[in-house]
Amino acid sequence: EIVLTQSPGTLSLRPGERATLSCRASQSISVDYLAWYQQKPGQAPRLLIYGASGRATGIPDRFSGGGSGTDFTLTISRLEPEDFAVYYCQQFATSPPRLTFGGGTKVEIK
Amino acid sequence: EVQLVESGGGLLQPGRSLRLSCAASGFNFDDYAMHWVRQAPGKGLEWVSSINWNGKSTGYAESVKGRFTVSRDNAKTSLYLEMNSLRAEDTAFYYCAKNNVAVAAAGPLNIWGQGTLVTVSS
Repeated sequence: EIVLTQSPGTLSLRPGERATLSCRASQSISVDYLAWYQQKPGQAPRLLIYGASGRATGIPDRFSGGGSGTDFTLTISRLEPEDFAVYYCQQFATSPPRLTFGGGTKVEIK
Repeated sequence: EVQLVESGGGLLQPGRSLRLSCAASGFNFDDYAMHWVRQAPGKGLEWVSSINWNGKSTGYAESVKGRFTVSRDNAKTSLYLEMNSLRAEDTAFYYCAKNNVAVAAAGPLNIWGQGTLVTVSS
C-alpha cells in the first residue's frame, strides 16, 4: 500500500507570496497517477492538478504541479485571498481500483 | 450542468445499517467509474470505495472491507453505498465523486457531491 506524506502540515504565508507544498510517496508512482485538490471550509474538494502537472478545467495558471518518482510539489506562484485552504495530494491504482490521499497541507494567512 | 447529489445520511446507533445514494446528472454516467470518499469532522480525506463503469470491478478501503458494499444502477444514473455494522469511527461526511477519465477504473476525481453526514453514536 502506497502512503502519501504531505509537508508541511501548515504553511503560514501572506497574499502575494509563493507557496510550495510537498507530497512524498512511500514508493515510486507514475506521474499519470498523481493529483492535487483544494478544499475550503464547508465545501467539497476541487480537482486542481491531474497527471502531476496538468491543470484541471478552470484552474488559474498560478497553480502548477511538478515532480516524479516519489516527490511531487504543488506551487502557487502568488497567493490570492481565495487560495487559503487545505490542499491534498492523491494517487490511484486501477486493478483493483484504489485511491490514497495524503494528510493535507493547510495554507493559512500569516 | 454536471451534478452529484448524495442522500441517506443520518444519526444512528453502532451496529446499525444505512444506505447512501448518489444521484448523477449532466454526464454519461455509465462511462465513468465512481467513488465514495469520506471525511471525519475536522479531519482529512479518506477513500472508502470505488466501482468501475459497469460495476464489475470494485475496491474497498481496509477499514470498511466486509462491512460496506458499493453498487450502481446505470439505468437510474445512481451510485449506492450499503453500510453495515456501523461503528463510531465511521462518522463522517460521505462524498460521491466522479472519475475524471472515462472507462478507467480509477483516477482523479473531477466532480464531487456536497456530501451527506453520517453520525454513528449511542
